[in-house]
Amino acid sequence: EAQVTQNPRYLITVTGKKLTVTCSQNMNHEYMSWYRQDPGLGLRQIYYSMNVEVTDKGDVPEGYKVSRKEKRNFPLILESPSPNQTSLYFCASSVGLAGSETQYFGPGTRLLVL
Amino acid sequence: AQSVTQLDSHVSVSEGTPVLLRCNYSSSYSPSLFWYVQHPNKGLQLLLKYTSAATLVKGINGFEAEFKKSETSFHLTKPSAHMSDAAEYFCVVSDVGTGGFKTIFGAGTRLFVKA
Repeated sequence: EAQVTQNPRYLITVTGKKLTVTCSQNMNHEYMSWYRQDPGLGLRQIYYSMNVEVTDKGDVPEGYKVSRKEKRNFPLILESPSPNQTSLYFCASSVGLAGSETQYFGPGTRLLVL
Repeated sequence: AQSVTQLDSHVSVSEGTPVLLRCNYSSSYSPSLFWYVQHPNKGLQLLLKYTSAATLVKGINGFEAEFKKSETSFHLTKPSAHMSDAAEYFCVVSDVGTGGFKTIFGAGTRLFVKA
């Protein structure tokens, strides 16, 4: 089954404790992206990747890191989480970068930073 | 700069009545426009998309949207609401601008369907 998976689905952590949220897709998509969803704000793009070893900042990259060492994986790293990073996070992938491509979303990771 | 405005944060309809979710956009180029749906505790799923072909776009589950360039609108409609349509809906604009590739989501419209 074609899908985007994220782990963990739920995570509670404390300020300053490094964490990684994994994202994997099995559709051989070149383009992957991370979003955060906050009430009343819709989804805002954190980082995106156009292919292996090619990443770029989205609209809200502060406090986050990403890497793309393999085509299928695109982990999101919070080196020193803070309470304002409490949010719902979505990973997405698409065939390519073109604006007309449909994005396929993972199920989401709900993060609480105390 | 690109932007998306969903004009209603909440819409409530009765089952069997029409649905209208409004979306206005701003884009300097020729955008692609999407509607995604998010059911409770689920990821987002594509409903439909406009990519410079027919201006009336049909999607899944009986939804459709009309691209009106003169009004910079892309409203989502459905003739008859079903209980299973209760969800949050996002209008999305995507294009290549001066800042590079951009995907902008609206704030979302939550649809309530009354029995």
